[in-house]
Amino acid sequence: AQKVTQAQTEISVVEKEDVTLDCVYETRDTTYYLFWYKQPPSGELVFLIRRNSFDEQNEISGRYSWNFQKSTSSFNFTITASQVVDSAVYFCALSEATNSKLTFGKGITLSVRP
Amino acid sequence: DTEVTQTPKHLVMGMTNKKSLKCEQHMGHRAMYWYKQKAKKPPELMFVYSYEKLSINESVPSRFSPECPNSSLLNLHLHALQPEDSALYLCASSQDRSSYNEQFFGPGTRLTVL
Repeated sequence: AQKVTQAQTEISVVEKEDVTLDCVYETRDTTYYLFWYKQPPSGELVFLIRRNSFDEQNEISGRYSWNFQKSTSSFNFTITASQVVDSAVYFCALSEATNSKLTFGKGITLSVRP
Repeated sequence: DTEVTQTPKHLVMGMTNKKSLKCEQHMGHRAMYWYKQKAKKPPELMFVYSYEKLSINESVPSRFSPECPNSSLLNLHLHALQPEDSALYLCASSQDRSSYNEQFFGPGTRLTVL
């Protein structure tokens, strides 16, 4: 069965600090997909990134970067020079090729203080 | 148009009322989803429609009745709800049900059952 663990529940940082959100997953499939979503207080989940199991290249998008390591079953998300607008709940999620259902982690509440 | 819209934004209803939640997308997506999200929890899948046919019902009580009138619209009919059904109801869509497709979420309907 697939599982996503986000061990951190709440993180508080001061603006301009770097912050890393951890995600560890479990799956028996060799083909799977990992996602990160952001949920600001308004409620809408915003898609940030998808990574497939065959692509271990790290990705950078502006202040956001993702580190995918199959050896440790981790897909961590780093925000560089955090801003108040980054305050939100961040969910890591997994879907398997044999099961299109999206499994979410419990989410990490990030608070960025001015 | 890359958004999913949901109406109403807020809904308060009594346990004997009948109401409906609406969701619309114009991205040409052929899979649509209903999720339920309680406070400080991840979204929980309720229903999946694929090409306008119900493909997944996650053992949801019959007081929730989904409907997909066409490829752009998704409704959730509510009847005889319980106070524990109070939650944020999120609609999402994706290109199709394939595991690699990211889901695009609407802003949700905050439902309160008195």
